[in-house]
Amino acid sequence: GAVVSQHPSRVICKSGTSVKIECRSLDFQATTMFWYRQFPKKSLMLMATSNEGSKATYEQGVEKDKFLINHASLTLSTLTVTSAHPEDSSFYICSARLAGYTDTQYFGPGTRLTVL
Amino acid sequence: SQKIEQNSEALNIQEGKTATLTCNYTNYSPAYLQWYRQDPGRGPVFLLLIRENEKEKRKERLKVTFDTTLKQSLFHITASQPADSATYLCALDRGYGQNFVFGPGTRLSVLP
Repeated sequence: GAVVSQHPSRVICKSGTSVKIECRSLDFQATTMFWYRQFPKKSLMLMATSNEGSKATYEQGVEKDKFLINHASLTLSTLTVTSAHPEDSSFYICSARLAGYTDTQYFGPGTRLTVL
Repeated sequence: SQKIEQNSEALNIQEGKTATLTCNYTNYSPAYLQWYRQDPGRGPVFLLLIRENEKEKRKERLKVTFDTTLKQSLFHITASQPADSATYLCALDRGYGQNFVFGPGTRLSVLP
């Protein structure tokens, strides 16, 4: 149990376009989902915390107008990278926290974004 | 300032030996600490959680210790196998209901 999926697993886009990444909890309800970014051989950097039905909380230095997060249901959160630039190329990973539990997170497999 | 460090960026050991990875933190007071495994191009996979009132936790060939006085956690893999080769991340909580902060990771290579 506790499986999190991400779609797509890989995406290549042109500069200036927008890309949407989906994060789903497949067999549990997640009141909170998190979005991370990871550069090669670096650790995970938290971008934002997404709570179902409310606005996301962004970490310092993360542009909320560039990285739009929507958490419309207890099983789905989306991250939209707007007007993508090559420097947005990265590995994006989401995680979901079981409703009622604060110390258990399950991670998705990640999405590799390449902006040309 | 707050900091999480893992002892080395990379660690090579011989198959069958025990791998010991270290996680040190500064200016945090975590209620618990977690260890994850991450393979290249994949998301982290949860391995073990240890709470501040626990000294040691075991799961099969894995053992974790947590010393809140030293502000350190040790992660051991006994009888290591090449399949254990991966990056191992420690993560600690930033307070009730808040997210985790991750260490930089240690890339373990178990040589046959």
